[in-house]
Amino acid sequence: GQNIDQPTEMTATEGAIVQINCTYQTSGFNGLFWYQQHAGEAPTFLSYNVLDGLEEKGRFSSFLSRSKGYSYLLLKELQMKDSASYLCAVRVHTGGFKTIFGAGTRLFVKA
Amino acid sequence: GAVVSQHPSRVICKSGTSVKIECRSLDFQATTMFWYRQFPKQSLMLMATSNEGSKATYEQGVEKDKFLINHASLTLSTLTVTSAHPEDSSFYICSARSWSAGEGTDTQYFGPGTRLTVL
Repeated sequence: GQNIDQPTEMTATEGAIVQINCTYQTSGFNGLFWYQQHAGEAPTFLSYNVLDGLEEKGRFSSFLSRSKGYSYLLLKELQMKDSASYLCAVRVHTGGFKTIFGAGTRLFVKA
Repeated sequence: GAVVSQHPSRVICKSGTSVKIECRSLDFQATTMFWYRQFPKQSLMLMATSNEGSKATYEQGVEKDKFLINHASLTLSTLTVTSAHPEDSSFYICSARSWSAGEGTDTQYFGPGTRLTVL
């Protein structure tokens, strides 16, 4: 079956750096997404990794290791507005493409 | 990023009625759209994959006769919840795949979601 694991909650301090990990066991892997979701809103795209390595985009970076089934999202210079849920999602190709989501990590940024 | 719209944003209906939710990709063509539902404090659960011009592919446990999906054009997919019941109350979110081999991009963009409440 398909399985995606990430921590339920994390707390970090404004201005700090936080790393949110995601491990997955899937068949037909075709890429990994990170999304940010504020309560009551739809997810917002943050990053997409299909090859191993680090993708950097401003304060956000995402890393992928396909051999280890592992990814992380790194948030730098944390701001209060970064308090949200961060969803790790894996796209798989099993006859057709589909994207499945982990349960999400709720990040609380404190002053 | 690309824009995906959903309509309506909120709907309240009586039990037994049907509700149609529209999902549109506004500035790109989407051959594939996805429909998710999300319960409070839970993650997104994929309901079905909608491919333009063909039948939708439903996930296990999702009743295709209850959740009718039509992907009539490259920019529009609709989800109709038939004979709605209170347990169908949820946040329904559509997503459209934006893919360009030439640009090397492949991203999935989400609509703002539709909150359905069935009384």
